[in-house]
Amino acid sequence: AQSVTQLGSHVSVSEGALVLLRCNYSSSVPPYLFWYVQYPNQGLQLLLKYTTGATLVKGINGFEAEFKKSETSFHLTKPSAHMSDAAEYFCAVSGNTGNQFYFGTGTSLTVIP
Amino acid sequence: DSGVTQTPKHLITATGQRVTLRCSPRSGDLSVYWYQQSLDQGLQFLIQYYNGEERAKGNILERFSAQQFPDLHSELNLSSLELGDSALYFCASSVDTGVLVEQFFGPGTRLTVL
Repeated sequence: AQSVTQLGSHVSVSEGALVLLRCNYSSSVPPYLFWYVQYPNQGLQLLLKYTTGATLVKGINGFEAEFKKSETSFHLTKPSAHMSDAAEYFCAVSGNTGNQFYFGTGTSLTVIP
Repeated sequence: DSGVTQTPKHLITATGQRVTLRCSPRSGDLSVYWYQQSLDQGLQFLIQYYNGEERAKGNILERFSAQQFPDLHSELNLSSLELGDSALYFCASSVDTGVLVEQFFGPGTRLTVL
């Protein structure tokens, strides 16, 4: 079975500061990991995904995430927050044999000017 | 704009009623997924269809059903509605099946059950 835990339902950062959104996963098979972003009144948009290979994954809008198997983590980072980054962020996991995604409960990011 | 359309945008109904949510996938996408997003349960996968056939089932209640039509649009039917069914329902589509294929999400239908 797969699941993800997102630590911190709300995160606030100052504009220009580092963004760190935490995600830990549980998976009985080698996981595929994803980060999605949801802007107000919109659907989810894929930010980045880890399947196999390089453990540091770069996504859109300057975000990146590192797969750390020893820590069962897939934290999302961005060196410098922008006002437009304010949104809800979801971590998701899926086993490599299924079509189902298991989403975390989401982290709401607020960027303070 | 993901190319996935959902209608209606908002739906307000009463307990015990039945509603139908509609989803049109991106042009060329054969796979459709339905998700429920609620405050207490987060985002949950309900069901997936691929080219008209049910492919995977998640936490979908027996009161809920879905189908995908020959033109590839999909409908999610919710019956005997309860207050707890109030949520945002998302549809997503992908060109193929499998987790390596990106899913594109529609804007959602907000269902309010009074």
